[in-house]
Amino acid sequence: NAGVTQTPKFRVLKTGQSMTLLCAQDMNHEYMYWYRQDPGMGLRLIHYSVGEGTTAKGEVPDGYNVSRLKKQNFLLGLESAAPSQTSVYFCASSYWDREEHFGDGTRLSIL
Amino acid sequence: AQSVTQLDSHVSVSEGTPVLLRCNYSSSYSPSLFWYVQHPNKGLQLLLKYTSAATLVKGINGFEAEFKKSETSFHLTKPSAHMSDAAEYFCVVSGEGDSSYKLIFGSGTRLLVRP
Repeated sequence: NAGVTQTPKFRVLKTGQSMTLLCAQDMNHEYMYWYRQDPGMGLRLIHYSVGEGTTAKGEVPDGYNVSRLKKQNFLLGLESAAPSQTSVYFCASSYWDREEHFGDGTRLSIL
Repeated sequence: AQSVTQLDSHVSVSEGTPVLLRCNYSSSYSPSLFWYVQHPNKGLQLLLKYTSAATLVKGINGFEAEFKKSETSFHLTKPSAHMSDAAEYFCVVSGEGDSSYKLIFGSGTRLLVRP
């Protein structure tokens, strides 16, 4: 049982490049979330989804886009990467009870 | 608006001594409250959850937390620390209203366990 799987685990980008982070869950969860984690700031919600085909903005959505074409997958896109987006990105999923299950993170550096 | 305050950014204890990690929350109703643990280079793992069934909640690895509405607190405790408990701990409150699908995270408390 894999739980929540994030790919890639590490990535270095140059300013202005684009990329997509993939999150996959095998628990049949309705809800999925993308967070970023920065030192001393806890986790901040970027975007979330309450079901296949739906997405919504979180606390810090600017510069990011998401898609949920399949229930088990939630993609996070950076169209034009900026140094301020250097962070660790976590995907999570849950049922309605919001007991979120987290992936191991993607460490992204933007030069 | 809801918020979570973890009162200590770092806590240091000796192995075998009690652990206390403090958390206060702000919410206009009775929220769900969680404690998560994060080990280095790992994602967050749920330790325990309060949902109004009982004020004393027992979690994994010997941790427990007590919900005190009058003090708006949800402190995490463990009677005897192990070296493997060294990690970062997050207190979390569920969102309400338009934010009902969201969790609000505290800034974290890093627990150091000395041999």
